[in-house]
Amino acid sequence: EAGVVQSPRYKIIEKKQPVAFWCNPISGHNTLYWYLQNLGQGPELLIRYENEEAVDDSQLPKDRFSAERLKGVDSTLKIQPAELGDSAVYLCASSRDKETQYFGPGTRLLVL
Amino acid sequence: GDSVTQMEGPVTLSEEAFLTINCTYTATGYPSLFWYVQYPGEGLQLLLKATKADDKGSNKGFEATYRKETTSFHLEKGSVQVSDSAVYFCALLPLNTGGFKTIFGAGTRLFVKA
Repeated sequence: EAGVVQSPRYKIIEKKQPVAFWCNPISGHNTLYWYLQNLGQGPELLIRYENEEAVDDSQLPKDRFSAERLKGVDSTLKIQPAELGDSAVYLCASSRDKETQYFGPGTRLLVL
Repeated sequence: GDSVTQMEGPVTLSEEAFLTINCTYTATGYPSLFWYVQYPGEGLQLLLKATKADDKGSNKGFEATYRKETTSFHLEKGSVQVSDSAVYFCALLPLNTGGFKTIFGAGTRLFVKA
């Protein structure tokens, strides 16, 4: 079974530029999560999808962050415009049973 | 609110040493408890879990027991290997979020020397 796929793995951009991250979850996993992981910290939930519906986006900074999961499979997280403080690792995870989550390798973002 | 506190790292051990990484939590009721491991350059992987008091989760020689009386879920391994070098995250899943919002600790980095 293929794991959660994320791309790109690394991204370097200048502040005020837009950036997008892509995630393809494990086949059959209806629940998809985007997390933010700052250096030396644990993951913090940004948004959770059940199929194509965003059911928990309370931690997503909506002034600059957006996400979509149009067909209930893969998902895109976007930042526009990026700020220096957005430098972090963005993790995607998926789940079938709402308890055990399977994580992708993450996208490491550096904003200069 | 619900939270997880784990011992600060890094923890440096020699191969075959005994490992303990402390984890305590704050939550109402009986949350599910987890340990995840993150190897360099990879995503988090579930290592073990326990869903009720006095349950013991185990995997790959690692163990942790759900202690309701001390609100703890300490990770232990009797003999570590170099390949165990990674970051370990303790996490809880509160019951009152419908089983969806996992809360992670800050992580503890383990270095094992040959």
